[in-house]
Amino acid sequence: GQNIDQPTEMTATEGAIVQINCTYQTSGFNGLFWYQQHAGEAPTFLSYNVLDGLEEKGRFSSFLSRSKGYSYLLLKELQMKDSASYLCAVRDSSTGGGNKLTFGTGTQLKVEL
Amino acid sequence: DVKVTQSSRYLVKRTGEKVFLECVQDMDHENMFWYRQDPGLGLRLIYFSYDVKMKEKGDIPEGYSVSREKKERFSLILESASTNQTSMYLCASSPRTGNNSPLHFGNGTRLTVT
Repeated sequence: GQNIDQPTEMTATEGAIVQINCTYQTSGFNGLFWYQQHAGEAPTFLSYNVLDGLEEKGRFSSFLSRSKGYSYLLLKELQMKDSASYLCAVRDSSTGGGNKLTFGTGTQLKVEL
Repeated sequence: DVKVTQSSRYLVKRTGEKVFLECVQDMDHENMFWYRQDPGLGLRLIYFSYDVKMKEKGDIPEGYSVSREKKERFSLILESASTNQTSMYLCASSPRTGNNSPLHFGNGTRLTVT
């Protein structure tokens, strides 16, 4: 099975930088995804990591360390619209069916003035 | 742009009723998934399908079944709805090829069982 941990809530200030951590335990790691979900809406894809290192996409970056079972999502120049839940999800090849994702419980980010 | 459409945004059903949740995607994706989302528990996989007529149990299949008669449509069935099935249900799809293919989600169906 898999165990994915991320903080339940975080608060940050508009214009600042925030880092949302995710740790996971899996027997057949095959990729990690970050999704953003606004209240009452569907999750939307943000980033994908399968190799160690940093992937940058505009104001959002995601980092992966496979040896540590650790990822983070970095949000720069925070805007009020970034207030949302951020979901970490891991793909595990050992579970059969390569596209099955297991999600963490999500980190609710609140951006304040 | 991928579109995943769930037939109902809100549903209220009575205990014991048979409930059908419908999901249609327009991008010819092979993979389709049903998740439920509950506060504090996150997204949990109920069932998934890799092709027409194929289905596999996810992490919490008890009390549910699915149907995939056509590639674009994946139905979730609650044979006899119970109050503990009150939840937000999310359908998703993805192409078969490419490990980096993200899931594309529908807007969800909020089901209340009374």
